[in-house]
Amino acid sequence: EIVLTQSPATLSLSPGERATLSCGVSQSLKKTYFAWYQQKPGLAPRLLIYDTSNRATGVPGRFSGSGSGTVFTLTISRLEPEDFAVYYCQQYDTSSYTFGQGTKLEIK
Amino acid sequence: QVQLVESGGGVVQPGRSLRLSCAASGFTFTFSTYSLHWVRQAPGKGLEWVAGISYDGHKEHHADSVKGRFTISRDNSENTMYLQMNSLRAEDTAVYYCTRVVASYPVAANAFEVWGQGTVVTVSS
Repeated sequence: EIVLTQSPATLSLSPGERATLSCGVSQSLKKTYFAWYQQKPGLAPRLLIYDTSNRATGVPGRFSGSGSGTVFTLTISRLEPEDFAVYYCQQYDTSSYTFGQGTKLEIK
Repeated sequence: QVQLVESGGGVVQPGRSLRLSCAASGFTFTFSTYSLHWVRQAPGKGLEWVAGISYDGHKEHHADSVKGRFTISRDNSENTMYLQMNSLRAEDTAVYYCTRVVASYPVAANAFEVWGQGTVVTVSS
């Protein structure tokens, strides 16, 4: 099974700052089947990025994704108050879809 | 609008069974062209993929943690997906979400774009 490890576990930043979230993959992905989700308390996850770098419908341009192989990154260029949440990475390169353990983005 | 609504959750004793349903609306004419999945989240924990089924129901995949106990299925004529959960354990306690992928057939690998609100399953004696 492919294991995803997100870092850091918690990221403390202020509105307006740049956020960089990382996800390490235990074995190199053959394709760019990688996604990022945002989850706020009590709500279902929301798809932000799919196929490594494509923004989902309605996702603001400040969110961007990149990476390949075993390292993938989600960048939020300038944090807005509504961006503070938990973020999960996911691979769907194999028939066993796995998620990372999450990064909590909190207000500093 | 495009929507998924889960039902069937509840409190159940260990070893018993439960069947979850996921009803689609807003894309019923194309329901049969999308693969679907179940994802769960234990209290205070992260997301765990549980099972997925192809657009036509011919291919299913289950996580190792539920293999042999849970079965995913779908009825395209009813625009509904199911999760039959047998031999339930305390560690199956979670919110169960149904999800639809981004792109329809023939795109094979897909992220999860549409999510239901979740249904709570509690396994306890």
